[in-house]
Amino acid sequence: AQSVTQLDSQVPVFEEAPVELRCNYSSSVSVYLFWYVQYPNQGLQLLLKYLSGSTLVKGINGFEAEFNKSQTSFHLRKPSVHISDTAEYFCAVSLMDTGRRALTFGSGTRLQVQP
Amino acid sequence: DAGVIQSPRHEVTEMGQEVTLRCKPISGHDYLFWYRQTMMRGLELLIYFNNNVPIDDSGMPEDRFSAKMPNASFSTLKIQPSEPRDSAVYFCASSFRGGNNEQFFGPGTRLTVL
Repeated sequence: AQSVTQLDSQVPVFEEAPVELRCNYSSSVSVYLFWYVQYPNQGLQLLLKYLSGSTLVKGINGFEAEFNKSQTSFHLRKPSVHISDTAEYFCAVSLMDTGRRALTFGSGTRLQVQP
Repeated sequence: DAGVIQSPRHEVTEMGQEVTLRCKPISGHDYLFWYRQTMMRGLELLIYFNNNVPIDDSGMPEDRFSAKMPNASFSTLKIQPSEPRDSAVYFCASSFRGGNNEQFFGPGTRLTVL
């Protein structure tokens, strides 16, 4: 079975500072990787995804993530955060080539950007 | 496209009552998913459909929960009877066959069972 671990439940950061949100996964088969963002009282919105190819993936709102197969990680980064980035961020995996379509989510990281 | 549509957005009910949550997926999507989000358990998959057929319902908590998809543009999640521990945000999501399982989420239904 696959699992996703987000090590930090909350990350406080000052505006314009860089941030990294950590995600590690465990799976016996290859996976697709996703980062979703959830703003207060809203649904989940896709930030970026890794399917194959270049391990550095760029997404919306200036976010990027790097897939590291040896460390089974997919950390999310932004070089300079804004107040509007305050939200909850979820890492998720989906199994390749198994026919199973469900996403397995991490527990989420709450990013709190302070002025 | 309007995206995934869920109704109602908020539901408050009393223990023992029947609750029905509704979802309209994005047109052309083959897969529909129901998730539940709570503080204690995070985001959990309840059930998903492919071409209106339930594929995996192993996440459905118990017999009080049932889900249907009578056609490609409509699905319901029913709880009967409801209990306070069912209070959560319920999300519907959809994806299409060739999408590498990128899922598009609705705004959710916040259910409170008193």
